[in-house]
Amino acid sequence: DAKTTQPTSMDCAEGRAANLPCNHSTISGNEYVYWYRQIHSQGPQYIIHGLKNNETNEMASLIITEDRKSSTLILPHATLRDTAVYYCIVRVNTNAGKSTFGDGTTLTVKP
Amino acid sequence: SAVISQKPSRDICQRGTSLTIQCQVDSQVTMMFWYRQQPGQSLTLIATANQGSEATYESGFVIDKFPISRPNLTFSTLTVSNMSPEDSSIYLCSVQVAGLAGAREQYFGPGTRLTVT
Repeated sequence: DAKTTQPTSMDCAEGRAANLPCNHSTISGNEYVYWYRQIHSQGPQYIIHGLKNNETNEMASLIITEDRKSSTLILPHATLRDTAVYYCIVRVNTNAGKSTFGDGTTLTVKP
Repeated sequence: SAVISQKPSRDICQRGTSLTIQCQVDSQVTMMFWYRQQPGQSLTLIATANQGSEATYESGFVIDKFPISRPNLTFSTLTVSNMSPEDSSIYLCSVQVAGLAGAREQYFGPGTRLTVT
């Protein structure tokens, strides 16, 4: 599975959009981009995934560049409860695929 | 989605002893995994728990140290054997389910916080 690079930490003001970048320059054509987050003392939580089109759900939006070498997770109106470690993962969409967690980005939402 | 419970939620154990962690899922799932999260670190995959056959271990993890059972599609156990303080971690059970458009969403249990003294 391809390696990802994320900033170690980011801050965001409450109510503003949080934009979390991820570089995955070695992504293969059959690998998807997944995002998870881990709130303190809890197990990771699935957020969203995509292949090449932009995706949106009730939690977030995912923007993937045309060359698929990077992506951005957008939390449109961050709240204090969005403070967490966010992990970007690339993997194939088969049962043989595995989720390899990097160090992630610690997002701190401030009042 | 899937709801996962783990027992125990936490334990303090003496070095040299073993602890078995249980993972129960509310639905039948094919893919089940065990992860370790050392203090202040990210998650590391220990193994894939295979129903009816031996678990598949990642590099650096061996069956003698982390034996895994998977008797059916809703239950698995992980044993941490002959523990040392370096085994102090959070151990997480995870399952993979098929979501919309072929997604492979993973759901995680609340974790078992192990402290070895």
